Amino acid sequence: KNEVEQSPQNLTAQEGEFITINCSYSVGISALHWLQQHPGGGIVSLFMLSSGKKKHGRLIATINIQEKHSSLHITASHPRDSAVYICAPRGFGNEKLTFGTGTRLTIIP
Amino acid sequence: DTGVSQDPRHKITKRGQNVTFRCDPISEHNRLYWYRQTLGQGPEFLTYFQNEAQLEKSRLLSDRFSAERPKGSFSTLEIQRTEQGDSAMYLCASSRPGGFIDGYTFGSGTRLTVV
Repeated sequence: KNEVEQSPQNLTAQEGEFITINCSYSVGISALHWLQQHPGGGIVSLFMLSSGKKKHGRLIATINIQEKHSSLHITASHPRDSAVYICAPRGFGNEKLTFGTGTRLTIIP
Repeated sequence: DTGVSQDPRHKITKRGQNVTFRCDPISEHNRLYWYRQTLGQGPEFLTYFQNEAQLEKSRLLSDRFSAERPKGSFSTLEIQRTEQGDSAMYLCASSRPGGFIDGYTFGSGTRLTVV
């Protein structure tokens, strides 16, 4: 069993739809990152959270530490949101990230 | 400071050759990480520096791989006697002290192709 599982693996939606990407992890963590990766490899850190909820523009991230689960939501999705979204928990003590395999999101105009 | 820089962006090499990649982190970030990403997979941790000290190495980092951060600023990752299985995107990231408060900043990566 992978330490970090994301669902769905692929998601295609129409522009304007509300998007939810889920992440479950099996180990204790100090924090969790949501990352966005565009074709060509560039990775952008969207959120780092250790509890509750964070919002940035149309993006919302939530985490439930007890249930070992996090979600990333995108409101009013747009074609430019098309990318791979990666969940990456951070362990205690060390600072390394363990990455999920990502969710490939495609928003159709 | 324009972020984390990696050089080169792309490298094609013949099997058996040695290659070296460079990462320049954000100047005030004392933590530096190397990750490797193969096609269709999420990145995997390779190694981690705090200042010049290499604090952790993954089992993925075979003895053909070596990383240094001699002055606690830029870092190099060398692969000796490259194999086709080394073909991947090599990503560098850095973070500042008290890293649990701040996020990571990633470089654009070096894509290695071993032919």
